[in-house]
Amino acid sequence: GNSVTQMEGPVTLSEEAFLTINCTYTATGYPSLFWYVQYPGEGLQLLLKATKADDKGSNKGFEATYRKETTSFHLEKGSVQVSDSAVYFCAPNYGGSQGNLIFGKGTKLSVKP
Amino acid sequence: DSGVTQTPKHLITATGQRVTLRCSPRSGDLSVYWYQQSLDQGLQFLIHYYNGEERAKGNILERFSAQQFPDLHSELNLSSLELGDSALYFCASSPGGVLQETQYFGPGTRLLVL
Repeated sequence: GNSVTQMEGPVTLSEEAFLTINCTYTATGYPSLFWYVQYPGEGLQLLLKATKADDKGSNKGFEATYRKETTSFHLEKGSVQVSDSAVYFCAPNYGGSQGNLIFGKGTKLSVKP
Repeated sequence: DSGVTQTPKHLITATGQRVTLRCSPRSGDLSVYWYQQSLDQGLQFLIHYYNGEERAKGNILERFSAQQFPDLHSELNLSSLELGDSALYFCASSPGGVLQETQYFGPGTRLLVL
């Protein structure tokens, strides 16, 4: 079945460091791609999305580009802040008969001042 | 605030009991999805309703059931509860129709089975 692989965490960075969280998805079909973020004690918030190849999703300084040739959707931010500390989930949606998101295991990011 | 509401926020119950979790989707959204987040299984899709009809089932146990009412709110019923059912249960909503559209999540209901 379809699946998604995220880099293992936890990731610890200093404030203003560059962030990359890798995400690859199975190549079956043509999914829409999403990044969700879960802050401590809270629910899931949509961070950004991309629906077709070469689309770049961006929000709050985070970016991710839909790379069909490498089946990847890596999350990047040029300068992280302490407030970015959270768990990040990559989630493709292949549509099909279910239309559900398939979540990666999540990557916990801790940003130190 | 996503516009999706879930009640209750926390629920503590005993093994063998039955509970009902409630979800109100964003205004105008026709689709409701239920997901379970647990430490060992991560985030898993349970079930999807669209405009009152069940559209798809994921890894939902037979002890669990759901429904979506005419006003589009949804309820997830969990019965014969076991310790392993302790988890965070999220619902999400989307406008409906297009399966790959953005889903907006509620704050979740944290269930603890003792």
